[in-house]
Amino acid sequence: DQQVKQNSPSLSVQEGRISILNCDYTNSMFDYFLWYKKYPAEGPTFLISISSIKDKNEDGRFTVFLNKSAKHLSLHIVPSQPGDSAVYFCAATSGTYKYIFGTGTRLKVLA
Amino acid sequence: EAGVAQSPRYKIIEKRQSVAFWCNPISGHATLYWYQQILGQGPKLLIQFQNNGVVDDSQLPKDRFSAERLKGVDSTLKIQPAKLEDSAVYLCASSSNTIREELYGYTFGSGTRLTVV
Repeated sequence: DQQVKQNSPSLSVQEGRISILNCDYTNSMFDYFLWYKKYPAEGPTFLISISSIKDKNEDGRFTVFLNKSAKHLSLHIVPSQPGDSAVYFCAATSGTYKYIFGTGTRLKVLA
Repeated sequence: EAGVAQSPRYKIIEKRQSVAFWCNPISGHATLYWYQQILGQGPKLLIQFQNNGVVDDSQLPKDRFSAERLKGVDSTLKIQPAKLEDSAVYLCASSSNTIREELYGYTFGSGTRLTVV
């Protein structure tokens, strides 16, 4: 049972444009959501998070939106840069420090 | 602060052989996790330690996988005997279990890439 889903395996975006990565979840008990970024041969690194009591969190070029009624979150990157090319995972937890990860979306930012 | 250290970085073994991975978490982090990431999938939790006790090992294939965290610091994950489907990246992560970890996740090591042939 895939509780966290990322339905787009890959995404290509021109440099300077907006990248939008999507994530859906099924468990209404999830109360924290995170996005991780992963470069080849490295472990995932934390990017941005959002609590279920919020619908938006912003950090520089990165914004995460949460729609609890739709059980959907998205990561917006504006403007996209070539260095943003990586695999992005969304993850969710119900407060147990045990994260359930999606399958990832490979973002390629074209110069 | 120093990050989560893992070794080896790469390992190739034949099926039915045994293999062990080592993890040294961030100093002072009480909680340690082992995740398995199969190519094309997201990381999946195998086992979670709190100090030297097991909190969750519900997804650990106990017939072939074992893990220990002696003295609540370093940890080893062992596979014996290995199967072809064990080919994956094995990630170790640690956290200090404060509210900050819920908002900032935990710190992963670079992983060990295992290839079983």
